[in-house]
Amino acid sequence: DAGITQSPRHKVTETGTPVTLRCHQTENHRYMYWYRQDPGHGLRLIHYSYGVKDTDKGEVSDGYSVSRSKTEDFLLTLESATSSQTSVYFCAISEHETDNSPLHFGNGTRLTVT
Amino acid sequence: AQTVTQSQPEMSVQEAETVTLSCTYDTSESDYYLFWYKQPPSRQMILVIRQEAYKQQNATENRFSVNFQKAAKSFSLKISDSQLGDAAMYFCAYRSGYGNKLVFGAGTILRVKS
Repeated sequence: DAGITQSPRHKVTETGTPVTLRCHQTENHRYMYWYRQDPGHGLRLIHYSYGVKDTDKGEVSDGYSVSRSKTEDFLLTLESATSSQTSVYFCAISEHETDNSPLHFGNGTRLTVT
Repeated sequence: AQTVTQSQPEMSVQEAETVTLSCTYDTSESDYYLFWYKQPPSRQMILVIRQEAYKQQNATENRFSVNFQKAAKSFSLKISDSQLGDAAMYFCAYRSGYGNKLVFGAGTILRVKS
């Protein structure tokens, strides 16, 4: 299995509080992604990174920010959590950009915003 | 933007029998890749099979095979000799040959009856 660690595994937080989710990889892959999984929607891309300090928005980026200061770490921050951000968050990594290399996923973080 | 549609929210199959999960996608691109991922209750995302759009031959991985119909933009997954361990959520996903993001369908829950 690809070396991807997401932390925390579970988190419960209150509306309006900031939350940071961490993704750590040991594969030295260039590309990293944050997805959220919701029933009826599958996985939707929040943000992605194509290198250190190089990030871009996905289709559901509102209310989220990311940072990548090192190749191995990709942080997802909810500046002020809302109940609509209750979800399961997945980090993924990819070695290449435009071929059939699959994305490898972490085990997800279940976030509950009360 | 590309979209992926899985029209079957749930499917059931008897152990040892064959089941086919449907997936259609919408794209104007000619270069792309298609994937099926399996998500068991553990939440782990597991790559099942992949297909390059430029290949006419359908991909096969042991009991898993696809029926790739490029003109119809259809990419169905066939599971033969179904096993209890096949019970999971299955996601179809599209990846452009010109970019690295993966677009997912909403998923199909597969139940396997003993």
